[in-house]
Amino acid sequence: DGGITQSPKYLFRKEGQNVTLSCEQNLNHDAMYWYRQDPGQGLRLIYYSQIVNDFQKGDIAEGYSVSREKKESFPLTVTSAQKNPTAFYLCASSHRGGANEKLFFGSGTQLSVL
Amino acid sequence: GENVEQHPSTLSVQEGDSAVIKCTYSDSASNYFPWYKQELGKRPQLIIDIRSNVGEKKDQRIAVTLNKTAKHFSLHITETQPEDSAVYFCAASIEQGDMRFGAGTRLTVKP
Repeated sequence: DGGITQSPKYLFRKEGQNVTLSCEQNLNHDAMYWYRQDPGQGLRLIYYSQIVNDFQKGDIAEGYSVSREKKESFPLTVTSAQKNPTAFYLCASSHRGGANEKLFFGSGTQLSVL
Repeated sequence: GENVEQHPSTLSVQEGDSAVIKCTYSDSASNYFPWYKQELGKRPQLIIDIRSNVGEKKDQRIAVTLNKTAKHFSLHITETQPEDSAVYFCAASIEQGDMRFGAGTRLTVKP
């Protein structure tokens, strides 16, 4: 099942290193999102973008950065400022970014610290 | 902002029994309440949703109820099957990009 693709599936980060997680969608969706999933904490919003070249911080944006240069792509960079980066990261998209829209999720990236 | 609480965190039922998962939300302006199912190692997928102008919605063995006055909504699964075993997340949203998720319920259906 295609639609929204995340890579890599597993990623390891060394201390002080920035790493970038890829998210690509071919659904022609305007809105894209990044969530962090920790055990027992559900999904927490990191950043979201409703249009190219524009994005907003979510609840836990500190230590992360994003870009939205193309409609299809919304990469997430985990910077060295994020002191506890180990988590499962999920990218999602929706048609227009409206409040009542279904989210389509990628298969996720597990980030671990070496 | 919106705060969504979900319980129980784990739920174990015998095959064929019913399962109920409950969520509460804090902001009365929330108007959309989806439920996502995440099977082990897979991506979350929408299984059912309800809007604030509806009190109940059914889809085969799954139903969701909404009580706007009490600000809570529930997922009901009847005649549970082993393939229903997964983590279920509730969510609530008010405006664009503002969806908030509950912490999840791990449902185990024992054959």
